[in-house]
Amino acid sequence: DSGVTQTPKHLITATGQRVTLRCSPRSGDLSVYWYQQSLDQGLQFLIQYYNGEERAKGNILERFSAQQFPDLHSELNLSSLELGDSALYFCASSARVGPYEQYFGPGTRLTVT
Amino acid sequence: GDSVTQMEGPVTLSEEAFLTINCTYTATGYPSLFWYVQYPGEGLQLLLKATKADDKGSNKGFEATYRKETTSFHLEKGSVQVSDSAVYFCALSSNYGGATNKLIFGTGTLLAVQP
Repeated sequence: DSGVTQTPKHLITATGQRVTLRCSPRSGDLSVYWYQQSLDQGLQFLIQYYNGEERAKGNILERFSAQQFPDLHSELNLSSLELGDSALYFCASSARVGPYEQYFGPGTRLTVT
Repeated sequence: GDSVTQMEGPVTLSEEAFLTINCTYTATGYPSLFWYVQYPGEGLQLLLKATKADDKGSNKGFEATYRKETTSFHLEKGSVQVSDSAVYFCALSSNYGGATNKLIFGTGTLLAVQP
């Protein structure tokens, strides 16, 4: 158990809908990252937050957004969903910003029908 | 940009065989290097890491050495077990120029160990 929790574990929704994925980092970790894992794109970095502020953006679509709350949990919002958004979404956390190891949650499997 | 290349799978081995999974990288600056493992239906687990040239990361019988001269970080294990069957990802993290320390992953290598 990495100490990172993600909910829900599975999510099935229709095209055009909006969903929210939730992540709680390891106790004491200030930095949260979101990644997308799909068969065609592999593991791709989406966005990073550090202590409530956006730190960096990767290959994140404009339809996607995220935030980190004062209690350090984070939410990834996906809107106007398309079939191609079906993927496994991982959250990871690390203690600080820098080349430190990241600990991953179990992921949320999103299926868009 | 930074990238990681790892050998195509699947790799199929018999129990107690020697394992090598090749990984090479391209990066600006001095990245940290990682191996993560993903068991079926689970998230990624950190297997080992190395933060500077010539460092050797090791865990659970797996080893990898950070080779700056060949830009490589090959994963090895002397005797694999059926329980090692999983997908292995090589990754780098670079904070060069103040950029994020996001992880950049290779495509993953599926290892199947047969009894």
